[in-house]
Amino acid sequence: AQRVTQPEKLLSVFKGAPVELKCNYSYSGSPELFWYVQYSRQRLQLLLRHISRESIKGFTADLNKGETSFHLKKPFAQEEDSAMYYCALSNFGNEKLTFGTGTRLTIIP
Amino acid sequence: DAGVIQSPRHEVTEMGQEVTLRCKPISGHNSLFWYRQTMMRGLELLIYFNNNVPIDDSGMPEDRFSAKMPNASFSTLKIQPSEPRDSAVYFCASSLLENIQYFGAGTRLSVL
Repeated sequence: AQRVTQPEKLLSVFKGAPVELKCNYSYSGSPELFWYVQYSRQRLQLLLRHISRESIKGFTADLNKGETSFHLKKPFAQEEDSAMYYCALSNFGNEKLTFGTGTRLTIIP
Repeated sequence: DAGVIQSPRHEVTEMGQEVTLRCKPISGHNSLFWYRQTMMRGLELLIYFNNNVPIDDSGMPEDRFSAKMPNASFSTLKIQPSEPRDSAVYFCASSLLENIQYFGAGTRLSVL
């Protein structure tokens, strides 16, 4: 069974400090990993996916198959980064997404 | 496109009543997903459809929950009878390609 673990429910970081949101997964197949974000009063939306290998809003995430992790990182936090972040996993070719329980990130001015 | 449209935005009902949540996916999308969000369990997939056909309903908690997709532009999630533990935010999402799902604004359900 596939599973996504986000160990931190809450994370507070000072503005300008580095951010790392942890995500670990368990899956025996070939996973595709995503980060979704929900800003205050907005819809849940895709932030980035590992196959794109791109930086979105300064965030990056590298898939580490050895550690089965897909941590989300940003070198310098901004106030507008405050939001709920969900890590999600699917199998290639399967649309079903399994989400973690989410981490609420708060950037302290 | 207005995106995925869910109605109502808020629903307050009494235990035992029937509740129907509605979703209109993005035009042209061929997959539709229903999720439940709670503080304790986060986002859980309840059921998803592809080309109007239910593909995986393993997340539907019990027989009180049912979902239909009579056509490509409309889906319902029904709870009958509702219970206080069903209180949550219910999201609908749709997708076309590449596993990228687009979410609606959600329906906040409170069962008293």
